[in-house]
Amino acid sequence: QKEVEQNSGPLSVPEGAIASLNCTYSDRGSQSFFWYRQYSGKSPELIMFIYSNGDKEDGRFTAQLNKASQYVSLLIRDSQPSDSATYLCAVGVFSGGYNKLIFGAGTRLAVHP
Amino acid sequence: GAVVSQHPSRVICKSGTSVKIECRSLDFQATTMFWYRQFPKKSLMLMATSNEGSKATYEQGVEKDKFLINHASLTLSTLTVTSAHPEDSSFYICSARDRGPGTDTQYFGPGTRLTVL
Repeated sequence: QKEVEQNSGPLSVPEGAIASLNCTYSDRGSQSFFWYRQYSGKSPELIMFIYSNGDKEDGRFTAQLNKASQYVSLLIRDSQPSDSATYLCAVGVFSGGYNKLIFGAGTRLAVHP
Repeated sequence: GAVVSQHPSRVICKSGTSVKIECRSLDFQATTMFWYRQFPKKSLMLMATSNEGSKATYEQGVEKDKFLINHASLTLSTLTVTSAHPEDSSFYICSARDRGPGTDTQYFGPGTRLTVL
């Protein structure tokens, strides 16, 4: 059973702080990793993807990947109240002849003014 | 990012009726689309993988005769929930796979909220 684990939260941070979201996965063969943001009642929105070990930065967001530890994280700098949402970690796996995404349960982030 | 539309956004129907949901990739061709279901406060659960011109591949535990999937073109996949019952009430979300140089990502449609009375 391929699994993706996330702390459900809520993770509460003050406005302007750095929010750190973590995710671990079980399939060592996974090669692609994604972070999606989901507002309540809405569908997921892609924030970032990362394929290689190390850091990848895009604006206020930084994804970090450590394949040896099977760990991927998302840092949000200068957190804003509009960042309050559920963040879903997704891992690409090859199963049944197709590349699929396995989602974690999500971490709820609350940014308070 | 790529744009995926989904229609309708909300459906309320009586038990026993069938509901058809459309998923379209608007600015790219998607040979592969995915259908997910999400219950309140739960994560997305993959129901099936839809490939243009071939039969869909269903995840374990998903009834293929109840959830009919047709991927008729490179930009359109449909999910039909047949003889819907209250337990089928959920948020159904499609995604389309966009493959390009150095990228292989899924973009989600806005979702369809189904309520079966």
